[in-house]
Amino acid sequence: EAGVAQSPRYKIIEKRQSVAFWCNPISGHATLYWYQQILGQGPKLLIQFQNNGVVDDSQLPKDRFSAERLKGVDSTLKIQPAKLEDSAVYLCASSRNSGGTYEQYFGPGTRLTVT
Amino acid sequence: TQLLEQSPQFLSIQEGENLTVYCNSSSVFSSLQWYRQEPGEGPVLLVTVVTGGEVKKLKRLTFQFGDARKDSSLHITAAQPGDTGLYLCAGERGQGGKLIFGQGTELSVKP
Repeated sequence: EAGVAQSPRYKIIEKRQSVAFWCNPISGHATLYWYQQILGQGPKLLIQFQNNGVVDDSQLPKDRFSAERLKGVDSTLKIQPAKLEDSAVYLCASSRNSGGTYEQYFGPGTRLTVT
Repeated sequence: TQLLEQSPQFLSIQEGENLTVYCNSSSVFSSLQWYRQEPGEGPVLLVTVVTGGEVKKLKRLTFQFGDARKDSSLHITAAQPGDTGLYLCAGERGQGGKLIFGQGTELSVKP
Protein backbone atom coordinates (compact mmCIF):
# COMPACT_ATOMS: atom_id res chain seq x y z
CA GLU A 1 0.00 0.00 0.00
CA ALA A 2 1.14 3.55 -0.64
CA GLY A 3 2.69 5.40 2.28
CA VAL A 4 1.99 8.85 3.65
CA ALA A 5 2.70 11.50 1.03
CA GLN A 6 3.86 15.02 1.82
CA SER A 7 4.70 18.03 -0.29
CA PRO A 8 6.74 20.03 -0.77
CA ARG A 9 9.84 18.25 0.54
CA TYR A 10 11.76 21.48 1.04
CA LYS A 11 10.73 25.10 1.44
CA ILE A 12 12.74 28.25 2.06
CA ILE A 13 10.88 31.45 2.95
CA GLU A 14 11.63 34.76 4.58
CA LYS A 15 10.26 35.63 8.00
CA ARG A 16 6.76 37.10 7.99
CA GLN A 17 5.88 35.19 4.80
CA SER A 18 3.26 32.47 4.75
CA VAL A 19 3.66 28.79 3.82
CA ALA A 20 1.44 25.74 3.45
CA PHE A 21 2.20 22.03 3.65
CA TRP A 22 0.10 19.21 2.26
CA CYS A 23 -0.37 15.65 3.49
CA ASN A 24 -2.14 12.64 1.99
CA PRO A 25 -2.45 9.83 4.58
CA ILE A 26 -2.57 6.10 4.02
CA SER A 27 -5.94 5.06 2.61
CA GLY A 28 -8.36 4.05 5.34
CA HIS A 29 -6.45 5.71 8.19
CA ALA A 30 -8.91 7.82 10.14
CA THR A 31 -6.38 9.53 12.39
CA LEU A 32 -3.93 12.11 11.05
CA TYR A 33 -1.21 13.91 12.96
CA TRP A 34 1.06 16.88 12.27
CA TYR A 35 4.37 17.07 14.13
CA GLN A 36 7.14 19.64 14.31
CA GLN A 37 10.68 18.26 14.63
CA ILE A 38 13.39 20.77 15.42
CA LEU A 39 16.94 19.67 14.67
CA GLY A 40 18.30 17.45 17.43
CA GLN A 41 14.93 16.86 19.05
CA GLY A 42 12.13 14.33 18.86
CA PRO A 43 8.88 15.17 17.04
CA LYS A 44 6.38 17.34 18.90
CA LEU A 45 2.68 16.88 18.20
CA LEU A 46 1.03 20.01 16.81
CA ILE A 47 -2.46 18.74 15.96
CA GLN A 48 -4.34 15.45 15.75
CA PHE A 49 -7.44 14.81 13.60
CA GLN A 50 -9.93 11.97 13.84
CA ASN A 51 -11.60 11.96 10.42
CA ASN A 52 -12.28 15.70 9.90
CA GLY A 53 -12.55 16.61 13.59
CA VAL A 54 -9.77 17.96 15.82
CA VAL A 55 -8.89 15.66 18.73
CA ASP A 56 -5.95 17.60 20.17
CA ASP A 57 -4.46 20.96 19.17
CA SER A 58 -3.17 21.97 22.59
CA GLN A 59 0.38 22.55 21.32
CA LEU A 60 -0.53 24.34 18.11
CA PRO A 61 0.49 28.05 18.18
CA LYS A 62 -2.91 29.19 17.02
CA ASP A 63 -1.91 32.81 16.49
CA ARG A 64 0.12 31.76 13.45
CA PHE A 65 -0.52 28.08 12.72
CA SER A 66 -3.70 26.59 11.30
CA ALA A 67 -4.62 23.17 9.95
CA GLU A 68 -7.60 21.59 8.31
CA ARG A 69 -8.80 18.22 7.08
CA LEU A 70 -12.02 19.15 5.37
CA LYS A 71 -13.09 15.82 3.86
CA GLY A 72 -11.41 13.59 6.40
CA VAL A 73 -8.62 12.57 4.02
CA ASP A 74 -5.98 15.10 2.91
CA SER A 75 -4.77 17.77 5.29
CA THR A 76 -2.99 21.10 5.04
CA LEU A 77 -0.92 22.90 7.66
CA LYS A 78 -0.37 26.64 7.27
CA ILE A 79 1.97 29.09 8.97
CA GLN A 80 1.22 32.80 8.67
CA PRO A 81 3.36 34.76 9.36
CA ALA A 82 6.45 32.60 9.76
CA LYS A 83 9.12 33.27 12.37
CA LEU A 84 12.77 32.20 12.40
CA GLU A 85 12.05 29.66 15.17
CA ASP A 86 9.58 27.86 12.87
CA SER A 87 12.55 26.40 10.96
CA ALA A 88 12.06 22.67 11.40
CA VAL A 89 10.90 19.50 9.69
CA TYR A 90 7.11 19.17 9.60
CA LEU A 91 6.03 15.55 9.69
CA CYS A 92 2.63 14.14 8.88
CA ALA A 93 1.59 10.72 10.18
CA SER A 94 -1.53 8.60 9.97
CA SER A 95 -2.83 5.63 11.91
CA ARG A 96 -5.80 3.38 12.45
CA ASN A 97 -6.96 1.61 15.57
CA SER A 98 -5.44 -1.87 15.61
CA GLY A 99 -6.64 -3.79 18.65
CA GLY A 100 -6.62 -0.67 20.81
CA THR A 101 -3.15 0.45 19.71
CA TYR A 102 -2.49 3.17 17.15
CA GLU A 103 0.67 2.49 15.14
CA GLN A 104 1.68 5.63 13.32
CA TYR A 105 3.13 5.73 9.83
CA PHE A 106 5.09 8.84 8.94
CA GLY A 107 5.63 10.69 5.71
CA PRO A 108 9.10 11.91 4.66
CA GLY A 109 8.48 15.40 6.07
CA THR A 110 8.82 18.94 4.76
CA ARG A 111 12.00 20.74 5.73
CA LEU A 112 11.19 24.43 6.30
CA THR A 113 13.91 27.06 6.50
CA VAL A 114 12.88 30.55 7.55
CA THR A 115 15.49 33.24 6.82
CA THR B 1 10.17 19.58 30.94
CA GLN B 2 10.92 16.41 28.97
CA LEU B 3 8.27 13.80 29.75
CA LEU B 4 10.36 11.01 28.21
CA GLU B 5 14.10 11.05 28.83
CA GLN B 6 16.28 9.11 26.45
CA SER B 7 19.89 8.23 27.15
CA PRO B 8 22.44 8.45 25.86
CA GLN B 9 21.75 11.25 23.39
CA PHE B 10 24.75 10.31 21.24
CA LEU B 11 26.48 6.97 20.84
CA SER B 12 29.43 6.18 18.56
CA ILE B 13 30.61 2.56 18.55
CA GLN B 14 32.55 0.09 16.44
CA GLU B 15 30.90 -2.62 14.37
CA GLY B 16 30.28 -5.74 16.43
CA GLU B 17 29.80 -3.99 19.77
CA ASN B 18 26.63 -4.22 21.84
CA LEU B 19 24.65 -1.22 23.07
CA THR B 20 21.61 -0.29 25.13
CA VAL B 21 19.41 2.79 24.82
CA TYR B 22 17.18 3.78 27.71
CA CYS B 23 13.86 5.59 27.76
CA ASN B 24 12.62 6.74 31.17
CA SER B 25 9.60 8.57 32.48
CA SER B 26 7.71 9.21 35.70
CA SER B 27 4.45 8.75 33.79
CA VAL B 28 2.60 5.58 32.86
CA PHE B 29 1.93 4.89 29.20
CA SER B 30 -0.61 2.57 27.60
CA SER B 31 2.06 1.49 25.13
CA LEU B 32 5.63 2.35 24.21
CA GLN B 33 6.80 2.52 20.63
CA TRP B 34 10.32 2.59 19.20
CA TYR B 35 11.11 4.26 15.91
CA ARG B 36 14.22 4.60 13.76
CA GLN B 37 14.74 7.70 11.64
CA GLU B 38 17.28 8.21 8.88
CA PRO B 39 18.33 11.64 7.56
CA GLY B 40 15.72 13.19 5.29
CA GLU B 41 13.09 10.60 6.16
CA GLY B 42 10.26 10.23 8.62
CA PRO B 43 10.48 7.87 11.61
CA VAL B 44 9.78 4.20 10.88
CA LEU B 45 8.08 2.07 13.52
CA LEU B 46 10.24 -0.79 14.84
CA VAL B 47 8.10 -2.22 17.61
CA THR B 48 5.20 -1.58 19.98
CA VAL B 49 5.24 -2.93 23.54
CA VAL B 50 2.02 -2.91 25.49
CA THR B 51 2.27 -5.15 28.56
CA GLY B 52 4.41 -4.34 31.59
CA GLY B 53 7.49 -6.58 31.59
CA GLU B 54 7.05 -7.44 27.93
CA VAL B 55 10.13 -8.36 25.91
CA LYS B 56 10.15 -8.37 22.12
CA LYS B 57 12.96 -9.43 19.81
CA LEU B 58 13.51 -8.27 16.28
CA LYS B 59 16.59 -10.06 14.92
CA ARG B 60 19.51 -8.41 16.79
CA LEU B 61 17.24 -5.86 18.55
CA THR B 62 15.65 -6.60 21.93
CA PHE B 63 12.99 -4.29 23.35
CA GLN B 64 11.79 -4.34 26.93
CA PHE B 65 8.89 -2.52 28.61
CA GLY B 66 9.26 -1.88 32.34
CA ASP B 67 6.95 -3.64 34.78
CA ALA B 68 5.30 -0.34 35.71
CA ARG B 69 4.99 0.72 32.06
CA LYS B 70 7.03 3.88 32.70
CA ASP B 71 10.32 2.96 31.04
CA SER B 72 11.75 0.93 28.21
CA SER B 73 15.06 -0.17 26.77
CA LEU B 74 16.42 -1.10 23.38
CA HIS B 75 19.41 -3.45 23.21
CA ILE B 76 21.30 -4.05 19.98
CA THR B 77 23.63 -7.03 19.74
CA ALA B 78 26.62 -6.99 17.39
CA ALA B 79 25.83 -3.59 15.90
CA GLN B 80 26.34 -3.08 12.18
CA PRO B 81 26.88 0.13 10.16
CA GLY B 82 23.35 -0.28 8.80
CA ASP B 83 22.04 0.28 12.34
CA THR B 84 23.21 3.89 12.18
CA GLY B 85 20.37 6.36 12.68
CA LEU B 86 18.24 8.27 15.17
CA TYR B 87 16.35 6.01 17.58
CA LEU B 88 13.22 7.48 19.12
CA CYS B 89 11.02 6.16 21.88
CA ALA B 90 7.44 7.36 22.11
CA GLY B 91 4.86 6.81 24.82
CA GLU B 92 1.20 6.57 24.00
CA ARG B 93 -1.18 8.58 26.18
CA GLY B 94 -4.64 10.00 25.81
CA GLN B 95 -7.16 9.23 23.13
CA GLY B 96 -6.50 8.37 19.52
CA GLY B 97 -2.93 7.21 19.94
CA LYS B 98 -1.36 10.50 20.99
CA LEU B 99 2.40 9.98 21.21
CA ILE B 100 4.95 11.80 23.33
CA PHE B 101 8.45 11.41 21.92
CA GLY B 102 11.78 11.36 23.65
CA GLN B 103 14.56 13.55 22.27
CA GLY B 104 16.19 10.64 20.47
CA THR B 105 19.50 8.76 20.53
CA GLU B 106 21.83 9.39 17.60
CA LEU B 107 23.67 6.12 16.93
CA SER B 108 26.75 5.89 14.72
CA VAL B 109 28.26 2.46 14.02
CA LYS B 110 31.68 2.60 12.41
CA PRO B 111 32.96 -0.27 10.26
